Amino acid sequence: QKEVEQNSGPLSVPEGAIASLNCTYSDRGSQSFFWYRQYSGKSPELIMSIYSNGDKEDGRFTAQLNKASQYVSLLIRDSQPSDSATYLCAVNEKNTGFQKLVFGTGTRLLVSP
Amino acid sequence: DAGVIQSPRHEVTEMGQEVTLRCKPISGHDYLFWYRQTMMRGLELLIYFNNNVPIDDSGMPEDRFSAKMPNASFSTLKIQPSEPRDSAVYFCASRQTGTGIYNEQFFGPGTRLTVL
Repeated sequence: QKEVEQNSGPLSVPEGAIASLNCTYSDRGSQSFFWYRQYSGKSPELIMSIYSNGDKEDGRFTAQLNKASQYVSLLIRDSQPSDSATYLCAVNEKNTGFQKLVFGTGTRLLVSP
Repeated sequence: DAGVIQSPRHEVTEMGQEVTLRCKPISGHDYLFWYRQTMMRGLELLIYFNNNVPIDDSGMPEDRFSAKMPNASFSTLKIQPSEPRDSAVYFCASRQTGTGIYNEQFFGPGTRLTVL
């Protein structure tokens, strides 16, 4: 089992729809969870971080965390073509002393006009 | 403030040559991370430093890879000799102690390495 798992996609949504990106992780002791956006040919850009169960909202983005289910998700409301990118889930794992991030392989999102 | 700076942005070399990648972390950040990204393996952590000291190099694939951080504002990743399978994008990232539980890392623009 991979430490951080994501569906590779592509996830295709029409402009204006809600995009839902999902991630599961294996280390139950993990404390911090991150979503990075990576445009093709560019570096990962941090867009959301969360450490408490529940929802955290920032503009059109909402991160959701459920530690009991070892599940974290990212919702993008009113999706725009400019949201088309690969979204990387990263977890700060207890078994690495919380110093390292372990990344999923990413979900590619395509937002069509 | 300037972000993480990496050079060169692109490097094309021939098998067997030495390659040196450079990174300048964000000022004040005391952790520095080197990653490699490929289509097959995704984003992999190679090594990280805290206060210029290497803490964990378990991700370094072989002895051909070495990394140094002589001071707080500069780090290098060296591959000698390079091989075609080393072709990838190499990212440097940094973060600051004291940002709390989040431990957010910020990435540089990356170096795209092609070994022919």
